[in-house]
Amino acid sequence: DQQVKQNSPSLSVQEGRISILNCDYTNSMFDYFLWYKKYPAEGPTFLISISSIKDKNEDGRFTVFLNKSAKHLSLHIVPSQPGDSAVYFCAASIYNFNKFYFGSGTKLNVKP
Amino acid sequence: DTGVSQDPRHKITKRGQNVTFRCDPISEHNRLYWYRQTLGQGPEFLTYFQNEAQLEKSRLLSDRFSAERPKGSFSTLEIQRTEQGDSAMYLCASRSGQVGDNEQFFGPGTRLTVL
Repeated sequence: DQQVKQNSPSLSVQEGRISILNCDYTNSMFDYFLWYKKYPAEGPTFLISISSIKDKNEDGRFTVFLNKSAKHLSLHIVPSQPGDSAVYFCAASIYNFNKFYFGSGTKLNVKP
Repeated sequence: DTGVSQDPRHKITKRGQNVTFRCDPISEHNRLYWYRQTLGQGPEFLTYFQNEAQLEKSRLLSDRFSAERPKGSFSTLEIQRTEQGDSAMYLCASRSGQVGDNEQFFGPGTRLTVL
């Protein structure tokens, strides 16, 4: 059962523009969400997270938005840079449940 | 380098052989996770350790799979009688376990190919 879904396998954006990556989840018990970035031949690296008590978290060029009623979160990257080209995974957990569910990933290509 | 390390990075084996992978977490992290990732998918949870105790195992972890963390530091994942369907990237992650600290740090993974 795919409890975390990323329905867009790929996204192409021009350098300097905004990249918006989307993620949907089905389990209303999830209360902590994370975004990871993965380059080829490397493990995923943590990017940004958000707790369900918030609807927005910002870190530099990266902002995550959470819409609990829609069970939807998104990652905004502004401005996009070629070095942002990677696969982005969203993940969800129930706090202290120690089990994380990952989406299938979105491959972002930022064109110079 | 104080990150999570995994060994080997690549493993090619014949069907029916046993393989063992090692993960060395960040030294002060008491929680360790194993994931499997296949092409086009995100990491799938396999098992989780808190110190040396294996607290949860996924249904994905068949009887041919076993994981250990004998001294609460490094961990091993063994697959017995490998099958072609076991071909995947096996990822290890660790986290500190401090309250409010939910970030997992991943290793580079071990890519298994079963011929």
